[in-house]
Formats: sequence, structure tokens, C-alpha cells
Amino acid sequence: EIVLTQSPGTLSLSPGARATLSCRASQSVSSSYLAWYQHKPGQAPRLLIYGASSRATGIPDRFSGSGSGTDFTLTISRLEPEDFAVYYCQQYGSSLWTFGQGTKVEIK
Amino acid sequence: QVQLVESGGGVVQPGRSLRLSCAASGFTFSSYGIHWVRQAPGKGLEWVALISHDGSNKYYGDSVKGRFTISRDNAKNTLYLQMESLRDEDTAVYYCAISRSRPYWGQGTLVTVSA
Repeated sequence: EIVLTQSPGTLSLSPGARATLSCRASQSVSSSYLAWYQHKPGQAPRLLIYGASSRATGIPDRFSGSGSGTDFTLTISRLEPEDFAVYYCQQYGSSLWTFGQGTKVEIK
Repeated sequence: QVQLVESGGGVVQPGRSLRLSCAASGFTFSSYGIHWVRQAPGKGLEWVALISHDGSNKYYGDSVKGRFTISRDNAKNTLYLQMESLRDEDTAVYYCAISRSRPYWGQGTLVTVSA
């Protein structure tokens, strides 16, 4: 099982700031099958990034993903009020999907 | 486009059973493995189970092994999750999901286990 560790647990930032979220895997993620989701209470997780760096349809270009192997990053270039939420990384390269524990981006 | 629609959630007492369904459309259902994933209130995402494209292989997370059974009917384009001996900690929103060029998820169905 691939274990994903996200850091930090909580990120306190002001609107307009840059957010950098990290996801580290216990072993290499196959073919960069790494996704990032945004989650808000009462809603289904929203796919932001897949394949480590490809934006899903309709996702603003302030969201970007990078990385390969075991180290991945989600960057939000300028936080908008609607971006304050919990973010999860997921690896889907192996049969048994795994998720990070989440990073909460909160308003400072 | 890919559509996954879960149903069957509700309130159930501890120890009882429930069956969830996931109706799929917009892709060749019989060609893809399909997952169940859940999210308990205030908790993170947890992978629950996977069934291979033809139903011949099934995998389960440790927390549901021996209690949940995943199955599929490729003629009906439908995935199932039979949940037995339900516990309070099984309370969650349950999602079905596939991976094609990217992951696709349904909107989820809420299961509440409560006396």
C-alpha cells in the first residue's frame, strides 16, 4: 500500500496569498497517477488536478500541480475566498487507491 | 460523458444490512474496474473496495473486510456494495469511482448507522 503524507496539516493564509501544499508518497507513484481534490462540507470532492499536473475541466489556472516519483505539490497562486477548503491528494496508479490525510487551507 | 449515480443510502441500525448501487453511463462499463470510496463526517477519504472489470477480482480495505461485498452486473451497468453487520463507524458518504484518463466520481449516497 502506498502511504501518502500531506503537509502542512493546516495552512493559515490571507486572500490573495500563495498556497503551497505538499504530498509525499512512501513509494514511487506509477506514471504520475496523482490527483488533487478540493473538498467542502456537504459536497462531493472536486477534482482539481490529475496526472500530477493536468487541470481538470473548468478548474481556474491559479491551481497548478507539479512533481513526480514520490514528491508532489499543489500550488494556488492567489487565494480567492472560495478556495478556503480541505485539499486531498490521491494516488490511483495502483489497484488499491490511497489518499493523503488532507490539508486545511483556512483564512488567516 | 461519464456519469456515476449512487443510491440506496439511508438510516440503518447497528448490526443491520444495506445494499448500495451505482448506475454507470457514458463509458464501456464492462471494461473498467470500479471502486467504492467513503468519507465519514469530519474525516478524510477512505478507499473501501475495488472490483475488476469482469468481477473476477475483488479487493477490500481492512476496516470492511469480511463484512462488505462488492459486486457488479455488467448487463445492467451497475455496481453494488452489500454491507453487513454495520457499525456506527460505517456512517459516511459512499462514492463509486473509476479511473479512465482521470478519476471520475459520483455525487455520493449517505449511510447513517444509528440506533
